Amino acid sequence: NAGVMQNPRHLVRRRGQEARLRCSPMKGHSHVYWYRQLPEEGLKFMVYLQKENIIDESGMPKERFSAEFPKEGPSILRIQQVVRGDSAAYFCASSPRTSGSSYEQYFGPGTRLTVT
Amino acid sequence: GQNIDQPTEMTATEGAIVQINCTYQTSGFNGLFWYQQHAGEAPTFLSYNVLDGLEEKGRFSSFLSRSKGYSYLLLKELQMKDSASYLCAVRDRGGYSTLTFGKGTMLLVSP
Repeated sequence: NAGVMQNPRHLVRRRGQEARLRCSPMKGHSHVYWYRQLPEEGLKFMVYLQKENIIDESGMPKERFSAEFPKEGPSILRIQQVVRGDSAAYFCASSPRTSGSSYEQYFGPGTRLTVT
Repeated sequence: GQNIDQPTEMTATEGAIVQINCTYQTSGFNGLFWYQQHAGEAPTFLSYNVLDGLEEKGRFSSFLSRSKGYSYLLLKELQMKDSASYLCAVRDRGGYSTLTFGKGTMLLVSP
């Protein structure tokens, strides 16, 4: 059973370009979370999605950031017109449809975005 | 607001025992998680506590006191490969709600 997959692992964009990050949850998992980790900072929640639904986007910046989890295919985190401050590691996590009481989240390897 | 505190760095010797503390102040509480993260890698799940007391899992144990807003992760028989960042995270609502993470404690194990 493959783990959470993210691609690309490293992404370099120039200021003003768009960044598109992909996440394929573990097989059987229908809950996806995106987190951002800045250098010397903890993981910060961005958005929680289920298939075709955004459940909680309270951690998403109001502008330039969007996320989707379509019926078919991976979840996508999209950052438009990137700025240097967007440089960070972006982690995706997933939880299974039924999970007992812990509802633990399994993390992917992350995408390291560098904005030049 | 949510506030989770843990020490920034700790050092220990191979074979020793180390305790990493975490205190939290959150609007609600529905479980505390510990994750291990090696540099450049994904966080991996270590333990989960929702009731007071100690949960033991091999060389790792985790303790929770809800009344004190306090948890610790205990690592025994330290190995070099335990050098990593240890993340404390709190879930403030039930079910599939999100996690609030501390900044992590970087543990360095020396020979």
